[in-house]
Amino acid sequence: AQSVAQPEDQVNVAEGNPLTVKCTYSVSGNPYLFWYVQYPNRGLQFLLKYITGDNLVKGSYGFEAEFNKSQTSFHLKKPSALVSDSALYFCAVILSTGKLIFGQGTTLQVKP
Amino acid sequence: EAGVAQSPRYKIIEKRQSVAFWCNPISGHATLYWYQQILGQGPKLLIQFQNNGVVDDSQLPKDRFSAERLKGVDSTLKIQPAKLEDSAVYLCASSSDAGAYNEQFFGPGTRLTVL
Repeated sequence: AQSVAQPEDQVNVAEGNPLTVKCTYSVSGNPYLFWYVQYPNRGLQFLLKYITGDNLVKGSYGFEAEFNKSQTSFHLKKPSALVSDSALYFCAVILSTGKLIFGQGTTLQVKP
Repeated sequence: EAGVAQSPRYKIIEKRQSVAFWCNPISGHATLYWYQQILGQGPKLLIQFQNNGVVDDSQLPKDRFSAERLKGVDSTLKIQPAKLEDSAVYLCASSSDAGAYNEQFFGPGTRLTVL
């Protein structure tokens, strides 16, 4: 069965410091991976996706993610965190039908 | 372009009552999804439509949940009768081509509280 795990419920980082939100996956076949962000009382917003190609994927708002096949990971990163990055982040795997299977989410708290 | 519209934004009902949610996807998007997001969990797909046909409803509790997309545009999700465990945010999403690993665009969601 396809699944995604986000091992940290919450990540705390100071503004200006680099941030990493972790994601590991378990899929049969090629993994197609997404990151979404959810702000309070709003729907999910697409950040980036890995389908094929370069292992470092660049996305919206300065975020990037590194696909690592040997470690079955797809960690989300940003070189310098902003207070406005504080939100709930979801990693997901997409099936060929378009169905998204989400991790449980990681709350990112960026403190000034 | 206009985003995915959902209504109502909030709904409070008592258990055993019925409730309906409405979604209007982005114009031209053939694929529509309904997800259930329970507090502290990631969204879980309930049902996926391609135009007005059902692609996946494997996780839809069919004894109480129903959904339709009669004209291949907007969609309604119904719960009858509601249970306490149905308290969640119901998210609607749409995409232009489900088979191309395209991003899905999400609406703001309907927060349902069952008392």
